[in-house]
Amino acid sequence: DADVTQTPRNRITKTGKRIMLECSQTKGHDRMYWYRQDPGLGLQLIYYSFDVKDINKGEISDGYSVSRQAQAKFSLSLESAIPNQTALYFCATATGYSGNTIYFGEGSWLTVV
Amino acid sequence: AQSVTQLDSQVPVFEEAPVELRCNYSSSVSVYLFWYVQYPNQGLQLLLKYLSGSTLVKGINGFEAEFNKSQTSFHLRKPSVHISDTAEYFCAVSSWAGGTSYGKLTFGQGTILTVHP
Repeated sequence: DADVTQTPRNRITKTGKRIMLECSQTKGHDRMYWYRQDPGLGLQLIYYSFDVKDINKGEISDGYSVSRQAQAKFSLSLESAIPNQTALYFCATATGYSGNTIYFGEGSWLTVV
Repeated sequence: AQSVTQLDSQVPVFEEAPVELRCNYSSSVSVYLFWYVQYPNQGLQLLLKYLSGSTLVKGINGFEAEFNKSQTSFHLRKPSVHISDTAEYFCAVSSWAGGTSYGKLTFGQGTILTVHP
């Protein structure tokens, strides 16, 4: 089983709909992240959380919200999806040790039509 | 603030040839540096990292990178590539101060390495 699990792996949704991407981890890490990948832009940070009560905006948080339900669970929501949110989304975890090495899930493809 | 620039968006190379993927960074404080690899339809996998100590870092699959503080660079090299090295490679930086990482990893735009037979 993967250490960082994302669901769903693929989703097509309509403009204006609410969509939630879920992430769970078994690594016992305190830090969790959501990144978005677009071709030619690398990965951009949406939100990050250092523990259940600590949630921070990243570079591109507009149009997104998150919930840290437990140390092992971190969900990303698109309240009203729009087509330019079509992208590959990655959840990741890290510990403050070891230089904050980040471990990624396998990604969730989201298409907004 | 921190930023990363990967100088080549695509690098084509023939099998068994050497390759260098270039990465420059900027940060007002000390940094940790990383290279990640993404194979088609997969997530990102850590290739190697520089935290401290020797500036030459060896990673998996025969890759190595050299941290050059004066030139703010962290170029990735492999002396002889294989077809299986075809992937997208990402350079990333994490800043720290006072012994504590700020916890944000900033990525470059990625370099697509294509190895031809």
